[in-house]
Amino acid sequence: GEDVEQSLFLSVREGDSSVINCTYTDSSSTYLYWYKQEPGAGLQLLTYIFSNMDMKQDQRLTVLLNKKDKHLSLRIADTQTGDSAIYFCAERRDSSYKLIFGSGTRLLVRP
Amino acid sequence: ETGVTQTPRHLVMGMTNKKSLKCEQHLGHNAMYWYKQSAKKPLELMFVYNFKEQTENNSVPSRFSPECPNSSHLFLHLHTLQPEDSALYLCASGDSPSGSGEQFFGPGTRLTVL
Repeated sequence: GEDVEQSLFLSVREGDSSVINCTYTDSSSTYLYWYKQEPGAGLQLLTYIFSNMDMKQDQRLTVLLNKKDKHLSLRIADTQTGDSAIYFCAERRDSSYKLIFGSGTRLLVRP
Repeated sequence: ETGVTQTPRHLVMGMTNKKSLKCEQHLGHNAMYWYKQSAKKPLELMFVYNFKEQTENNSVPSRFSPECPNSSHLFLHLHTLQPEDSALYLCASGDSPSGSGEQFFGPGTRLTVL
């Protein structure tokens, strides 16, 4: 199937780390992406990882990829109230134009 | 302007109206996309254009008609829509997917069909 699955909701305290998880089904995925959507806005690309990598770090963001388990995670260090948003993971297979998105995880950061 | 822009940002239309959504990208990309984002559903790809040629149509009803006059502009022409077509319509652009294939999104048009 084409499912990309994410948990619906995550609540953390400001200053803590957030970990948002995603699972996908197709082993031919080549690139996996994380997008952020704030209220009333489009999707903002945060980072991406190529399928032959295990980890990618970009400032406060760390992406971990477990290809064997088809599991992707996004860790946000020192989470701030401005990080409150919906986070989408997406996969791309082979050289397809099509990105397959999860339903999004709503992150709420409590002061 | 930079990035991907969309107009209008909000649109309310009746089922018998005809309207058009516009998208413009200033990133020099070859490919442009229309997505539909409905409440409680994953983002749905509608159309893909690469170098002005349509490469994908994801079984979209004919009441949605895309137009891509050049690599920088993309339109979505709407006619005789249904209330269930109310959604956020997102445009994106990107390079050809032989590389990392990131897609960059505009802010969307919030469409309400009465």
